Amino acid sequence: NAGVTQTPKFQVLKTGQSMTLQCAQDMNHEYMSWYRQDPGMGLRLIHYSVGAGITDQGEVPNGYNVSRSTTEDFPLRLLSAAPSQTSVYFCASRQTRTSGLSYEQYFGPGTRLTVT
Amino acid sequence: KNEVEQSPQNLTAQEGEFITINCSYSVGISALHWLQQHPGGGIVSLFMLSSGKKKHGRLIATINIQEKHSSLHITASHPRDSAVYICAVRYGTDKLIFGTGTRLQVFP
Repeated sequence: NAGVTQTPKFQVLKTGQSMTLQCAQDMNHEYMSWYRQDPGMGLRLIHYSVGAGITDQGEVPNGYNVSRSTTEDFPLRLLSAAPSQTSVYFCASRQTRTSGLSYEQYFGPGTRLTVT
Repeated sequence: KNEVEQSPQNLTAQEGEFITINCSYSVGISALHWLQQHPGGGIVSLFMLSSGKKKHGRLIATINIQEKHSSLHITASHPRDSAVYICAVRYGTDKLIFGTGTRLQVFP
């Protein structure tokens, strides 16, 4: 199993550009989420999904869109990049609590995004 | 006030020392996670616990639900243990709140 994969690893954008961060998992996990990590702050939830076709907002959703057309993929779209979105982005996946299985969280390797 | 507080923020140790990292939280939780983030940036899950104590190799995690406190211990620390250790609590509708992490450096 590859686990959780993310692409790209690094990205530099100009203000106003759009892009999509890719995330995929091969563990058949229902729950997927996107976090951002900023210096001096804990990981903060951007958006999450409890299954294909279902997404919801997290703590810091503004400026980001997500979709979940398959169980495996959960892309994060930046609509119009701003310097405040400079951060490290982590995708994560796990089983849902109702599945009765262990819901240990698995993280992707991260995407370091700089917006100039 | 943060809902998840970790202490210390930074920790240096000599190889072989016993390490303790603390995590206190203010919300009712269903589980607590300890995570490790290496200098390369990747995050791995070390423990998930809801009561008592868990041990894996030289790592031990304990939790006291009544006191809303958890500790992560590293016995016989090694330079390869150098990383950021993150506490996260699971609450409510299955959401996570993360601490800001404890940066550990172990010197030979």
